[in-house]
Amino acid sequence: DAKTTQPPSMDCAEGRAANLPCNHSTISGNEYVYWYRQIHSQGPQYIIHGLKNNETNEMASLIITEDRKSSTLILPHATLRDTAVYYCIVHSGANNLFFGTGTRLTVIP
Amino acid sequence: GAVVSQHPSRVICKSGTSVKIECRSLDFQATTMFWYRQFPKKSLMLMATSNEGSKATYEQGVEKDKFLINHASLTLSTLTVTSAHPEDSSFYICSVLTSGGLYEQYFGPGTRLTVT
Repeated sequence: DAKTTQPPSMDCAEGRAANLPCNHSTISGNEYVYWYRQIHSQGPQYIIHGLKNNETNEMASLIITEDRKSSTLILPHATLRDTAVYYCIVHSGANNLFFGTGTRLTVIP
Repeated sequence: GAVVSQHPSRVICKSGTSVKIECRSLDFQATTMFWYRQFPKKSLMLMATSNEGSKATYEQGVEKDKFLINHASLTLSTLTVTSAHPEDSSFYICSVLTSGGLYEQYFGPGTRLTVT
């Protein structure tokens, strides 16, 4: 699976949009972009995934560039409960997910 | 998505004893489950892939005789840490692989193991 690069940490004011970037310049044609998050001392939580089109669900939006080499996860109105480590993973098939170091998002009151 | 539970949520044991951790898929029949380990301030590291009815596949560096995995049914996989030592203290997390058109993983809440 392709490697991803994320900033180690970000802050966001409560109520504002949180935009988390991810670079995946070596992504291959059959790999999807997945986002998970892990709140302290809990298991990871699936957020969203996409192939090449932008996606939106009740939790977040995923914007994938046209060349698919990078993406952005958007939490439209961040709350204190969104403080977590966010993992961007590119993946295909039925094997395990490789978790990098992720981005530690801190939502500030 | 699938609902996954783990039991116990936290356990403290003495060095040299064995500890069993259960991972249950509550609403999905899981052919494949994964076991991860996470040390403080580190990311998740895959330990093994658990396949129902067959032997688990272990990652390099993970001792299969120390971390016994049993996936006897489509809803239950167990991880037994045998002869636990303080360095085995960690956060153990399982996940269920679903295959509803696209493979997705759903994770349990994790088990915090402390070996004294």
